Amino acid sequence: AQSVTQLDSQVPVFEEAPVELRCNYSSSVSVYLFWYVQYPNQGLQLLLKYLSGSTLVESINGFEAEFNKSQTSFHLRKPSVHISDTAEYFCAVSSVSTGANNLFFGTGTRLTVIP
Amino acid sequence: DAGVTQSPTHLIKTRGQQVTLRCSPISGHKSVSWYQQVLGQGPQFIFQYYEKEERGRGNFPDRFSARQFPNYSSELNVNALLLGDSALYLCASSSLLGNLEQYFGPGTRLTVT
Repeated sequence: AQSVTQLDSQVPVFEEAPVELRCNYSSSVSVYLFWYVQYPNQGLQLLLKYLSGSTLVESINGFEAEFNKSQTSFHLRKPSVHISDTAEYFCAVSSVSTGANNLFFGTGTRLTVIP
Repeated sequence: DAGVTQSPTHLIKTRGQQVTLRCSPISGHKSVSWYQQVLGQGPQFIFQYYEKEERGRGNFPDRFSARQFPNYSSELNVNALLLGDSALYLCASSSLLGNLEQYFGPGTRLTVT
């Protein structure tokens, strides 16, 4: 079974400051890793994913995440946040071996960007 | 192209009642998954359907059931509603069973009183 821990339930940060949202996972098998973003009253949108290859993955809006197998982490970072980044962020894992694509989500981190 | 659509948007039911939620996947997508998101928590996997067959089931009681139709749309049914079933129910579609690119709908907010 897999599990995901997002230690920070809320992260307030000033506009244009850097931010890191932490994600740690636990699994007995190899996993794929994801970050999803949820804006108010909307569904989840895929932000970025790690499947294989380079451990550093980037999104089109400036976020990046690095897969660290030894520390079982997949932290999300952005060097300079905007007001529009205010949202709930979910880290998720999916087992490589199942062949299905059901996701296991963390409890989420609410990022609030302060003007 | 339309994204994943879900209906209704909001729903209020009484304990013991039954509810049916509906989902239409993105055109061409054959796999539909259902998730329950309780307030303050991350989504939890309930079911996955592909080509009208159940391909995965999460840790939910038998009161929860689902089906997928020939046009790949899906229904989630919950019987004997409990207060704890109050949640946002999310539907996600993907093109293939093992495709890791899932697209989520806006969800149905179910309130059980």
